[in-house]
Amino acid sequence: LAKTTQPISMDSYEGQEVNITCSHNNIATNDYITWYQQFPSQGPRFIIQGYKTKVTNEVASLFIPADRKSSTLSLPRVSLSDTAVYYCLVGDVGAAGNKLTFGGGTRVLVKP
Amino acid sequence: NAGVMQNPRHLVRRRGQEARLRCSPMKGHSHVYWYRQLPEEGLKFMVYLQKENIIDESGMPKERFSAEFPKEGPSILRIQQVVRGDSAAYFCASSPGTGVYGYTFGSGTRLTVV
Repeated sequence: LAKTTQPISMDSYEGQEVNITCSHNNIATNDYITWYQQFPSQGPRFIIQGYKTKVTNEVASLFIPADRKSSTLSLPRVSLSDTAVYYCLVGDVGAAGNKLTFGGGTRVLVKP
Repeated sequence: NAGVMQNPRHLVRRRGQEARLRCSPMKGHSHVYWYRQLPEEGLKFMVYLQKENIIDESGMPKERFSAEFPKEGPSILRIQQVVRGDSAAYFCASSPGTGVYGYTFGSGTRLTVV
């Protein structure tokens, strides 16, 4: 699985947009980019997944440039409840039997 | 449709005792994964099982740790003769084995060894 690099932490305020960039220079052709959210004392929760260009769902948007060596998770108008650790994972996570490799994640703190 | 169920949520064991952690996958999911998370760290893969088979145990410590997923009942992660370093959160995930959005995690079992 490709190694990922993301900022250790980010602070934001309620109502702002939060953008977290993840670097994955060694991404393979078959790899997808997946983001998970983890609250304290809970398991990771799937947020969004994409392969190229832009993906949007009710929670977030994922921007992937043409070379796919990085990706940006965008959380629009964050609230206090978005305070969590966000993990970027790269790999063929959709296939059966694939273990996930988590890095240290980005700790996002949303302030009032 | 219940999610991945793990129990107990919290488990306290004295050094040298055994810990048994249980995981019931989502309905229709036949693939189970166990992960361990130390404080302030990301999750680390331990083992991947299908019914009655261990498929990948490359992340399991060689001694004291074992896992099973019997034909009937939950998956069990067993830690024998626990030590303080085993204190961590243990998460189970399940997947149906197909599809892009396969993985669903449970809420974890927090093991404390005293």
